Amino acid sequence: GQNIDQPTEMTATEGAIVQINCTYQTSGFNGLFWYQQHAGEAPTFLSYNVLDGLEEKGRFSSFLSRSKGYSYLLLKELQMKDSASYLCAVRHGSSNTGKLIFGQGTTLQVKP
Amino acid sequence: DSGVTQTPKHLITATGQRVTLRCSPRSGDLSVYWYQQSLDQGLQFLIQYYNGEERAKGNILERFSAQQFPDLHSELNLSSLELGDSALYFCASSGTSGGLNEQFFGPGTRLTVL
Repeated sequence: GQNIDQPTEMTATEGAIVQINCTYQTSGFNGLFWYQQHAGEAPTFLSYNVLDGLEEKGRFSSFLSRSKGYSYLLLKELQMKDSASYLCAVRHGSSNTGKLIFGQGTTLQVKP
Repeated sequence: DSGVTQTPKHLITATGQRVTLRCSPRSGDLSVYWYQQSLDQGLQFLIQYYNGEERAKGNILERFSAQQFPDLHSELNLSSLELGDSALYFCASSGTSGGLNEQFFGPGTRLTVL
């Protein structure tokens, strides 16, 4: 079976750093994605990990440990516009195809 | 703007009816994915097409069907609608190259079944 767990809600302060964790149990793993979704809008791609380690992309970084079935998304220098839902998703299948299995998402609220 | 288009944006219909949702992928993308997002279920994968052929299936109900046409646009057909089918339906597309191959999501169709 497939199971992806993330915290439901998190709160952080503007300018701070926040880490959103994701654990997964799945077969046929072929990469882990992080998406950002504002309410009522489409998910937008943030980062992708297929090998262990840290991927940095501006204020956002994502880490993966395949042996532990664990990932985190790190957001630095938080801004009010970062208030959104953050979705962890595991991809199954080949590199050209493959469905995404999403976690329930973590709603992040950034406070002044 | 992801380059993926979906129509209509909103759809209100009654129980028992049938609707068709349409998706045009990004130029050059061969894969189309359909997802359902309801408040209590999160984003759920429904089905994937690749260059006109069904490639992967999720927990898609038998009342739902999809197809991808030669011009690569896709349609999701929902029939015998129930109240519980009310949700946001997203289409996503991805390219054919290896490596990253992220999925780009369209703006979604909000379906309300009354």
